Amino acid sequence: SQQGEEDPQALSIQEGENATMNCSYKTSINNLQWYRQNSGRGLVHLILIRSNEREKHSGRLRVTLDTSKKSSSLLITASRAADTASYFCATDYAGGTSYGKLTFGQGTILTVHP
Amino acid sequence: EAGVVQSPRYKIIEKKQPVAFWCNPISGHNTLYWYRQNLGQGPELLIRYENEEAVDDSQLPKDRFSAERLKGVDSTLKIQPAELGDSAVYLCASSLDRQGAVYNEQFFGPGTRLTVL
Repeated sequence: SQQGEEDPQALSIQEGENATMNCSYKTSINNLQWYRQNSGRGLVHLILIRSNEREKHSGRLRVTLDTSKKSSSLLITASRAADTASYFCATDYAGGTSYGKLTFGQGTILTVHP
Repeated sequence: EAGVVQSPRYKIIEKKQPVAFWCNPISGHNTLYWYRQNLGQGPELLIRYENEEAVDDSQLPKDRFSAERLKGVDSTLKIQPAELGDSAVYLCASSLDRQGAVYNEQFFGPGTRLTVL
């Protein structure tokens, strides 16, 4: 079963605009990760944020985590047509005996128009 | 360095037929995962191997699905017999899990798209 919900399910923007995607989850986590998936490159890891972190940056990506609300957001700034893809959040469950058991959300389909 | 290799990339079969998927992880990666991704959904873990041992197969439908990872390298996932609801993309991933590490990045293969008619 899916751990989290992602919002919106689909997002359409113009090149240069910012894109924000949200993810909610249900259980305590070790970390939360964001992945991108497109037909050309498969599923690619973008960024990880640990449960004791609140914000993290990587290039044009900014991730926030609010463990009290069990939610995270991914912001892509100055979007490009090449950012068109599906974006998934994945949580690493804290109750397990080992790390690495990822539970993915349903994903947000981002379309960036040139 | 080569990534995770999966074959075949596409497979179309009739229901009740058997099917097998093959995965070659990144060289040196000790942990291997099989995921199933239904259309419009995120991947769901089916089974996880640490070397040749299946350490988490709670989501694997054991009546028709089986997997093996001989010698702790390549892995095969089999479905017998296939049902219409098995149509999905089957993803393989691998990671190099280090003792004490708080995070081990998973690298995904391109997947096998299965269509059951």
